[in-house]
Amino acid sequence: GDSVTQMEGPVTLSEEAFLTINCTYTATGYPSLFWYVQYPGEGLQLLLKATKADDKGSNKGFEATYRKETTSFHLEKGSVQVSDSAVYFCALSETGGYNKLIFGAGTRLAVHP
Amino acid sequence: GAVVSQHPSRVICKSGTSVKIECRSLDFQATTMFWYRQFPKKSLMLMATSNEGSKATYEQGVEKDKFLINHASLTLSTLTVTSAHPEDSSFYICSAFTGGRGNQPQHFGDGTRLSIL
Repeated sequence: GDSVTQMEGPVTLSEEAFLTINCTYTATGYPSLFWYVQYPGEGLQLLLKATKADDKGSNKGFEATYRKETTSFHLEKGSVQVSDSAVYFCALSETGGYNKLIFGAGTRLAVHP
Repeated sequence: GAVVSQHPSRVICKSGTSVKIECRSLDFQATTMFWYRQFPKKSLMLMATSNEGSKATYEQGVEKDKFLINHASLTLSTLTVTSAHPEDSSFYICSAFTGGRGNQPQHFGDGTRLSIL
């Protein structure tokens, strides 16, 4: 079945460092891809999305490009802030009518001043 | 933007109690809602898909008699954990979806932390 694999965390960075969180997927069809962020004690917030190959999703300085040839959707940010500390989930939405999401395991990011 | 309200945010109760969690879409109609369970430092596990006016579809391994789901209107779905036991303690999160093809995002509630003593 479809699946999402994320790099294991935690990722610890200093403020203003460059961030990459790797995400690869396995899917039989043409999924949509998402990054969600979860701050401590809260639910998930959509960070960005891409619906087809070569699409680039971006929001709040974060970017991810839908790479069909490498089945990847890596999350990047050029300069992280302490407020970016959270857990980041890569997810895919299967094709079809129910919009069921399959999540990766999540990557915890800790940014220090 | 789309807002999903989940209530209560935290519940602490005795073993054997039934607990109801509500999930409301505040500014849109949700044809489909999803219920997830999240264990500490783990990812979200889909429990069931709830469609307005019909029976919920449960994922493999989820006891439907244990986790009762009702989606009586386009803005409200409820999850009732019946006769809860300590192993049911977890973080439960709902999400709502307006419908359409798979490129539409789900909107998540803030979650309910359930602790069974």
